[in-house]
Amino acid sequence: DTGVSQDPRHKITKRGQNVTFRCDPISEHNRLYWYRQTLGQGPEFLTYFQNEAQLEKSRLLSDRFSAERPKGSFSTLEIQRTEQGDSAMYLCASSPISSGYHGYTFGSGTRLTVV
Amino acid sequence: DQQVKQNSPSLSVQEGRISILNCDYTNSMFDYFLWYKKYPAEGPTFLISISSIKDKNEDGRFTVFLNKSAKHLSLHIVPSQPGDSAVYFCAASAGGSQGNLIFGKGTKLSVKP
Repeated sequence: DTGVSQDPRHKITKRGQNVTFRCDPISEHNRLYWYRQTLGQGPEFLTYFQNEAQLEKSRLLSDRFSAERPKGSFSTLEIQRTEQGDSAMYLCASSPISSGYHGYTFGSGTRLTVV
Repeated sequence: DQQVKQNSPSLSVQEGRISILNCDYTNSMFDYFLWYKKYPAEGPTFLISISSIKDKNEDGRFTVFLNKSAKHLSLHIVPSQPGDSAVYFCAASAGGSQGNLIFGKGTKLSVKP
């Protein structure tokens, strides 16, 4: 397994367009997380899944954002009607349910630029 | 309201010396703390963690100290190497090792040869 994979690495879109990002977690990991990181800030939690169930969503996840993990494997994050404030690095991470004292594994992220 | 604070945006140390990165938190419900390292154009990489039931955890050159009464933790890197140059994020969780994480803004460490 090569780790957490995110696609695309970069996305430039015009304001008002919809975008979708994909995350493929480490295969044996049950949990999958989405974070967003803006310039000069640390990653901010958006949502997480345990298998196919979305268990928690941050208030940062407005109605324009939707995430799915239909078969408990890969996940997609869609942003509708993008705004310039959505420009950020979108990070996906995964972990097994019981990982002991180990943090979860992040992907390299998708950098979104809204123009 | 920043629940996890890293008040030093940057730190520069000489190779071979000790690097000390600091982190303060405000939420007494946090029970698990982690440090991540991030290189440009890559996602954060897990470095070391500590549970609130401990006050120290060591892994090779990296040691994390937790002072619960002061709500403060620190990461010590000894000896520092040029390859340690990166942004270091402190993170905390109120759900043990599986909770979602609250990150600080990061400290950029530069280790000079």
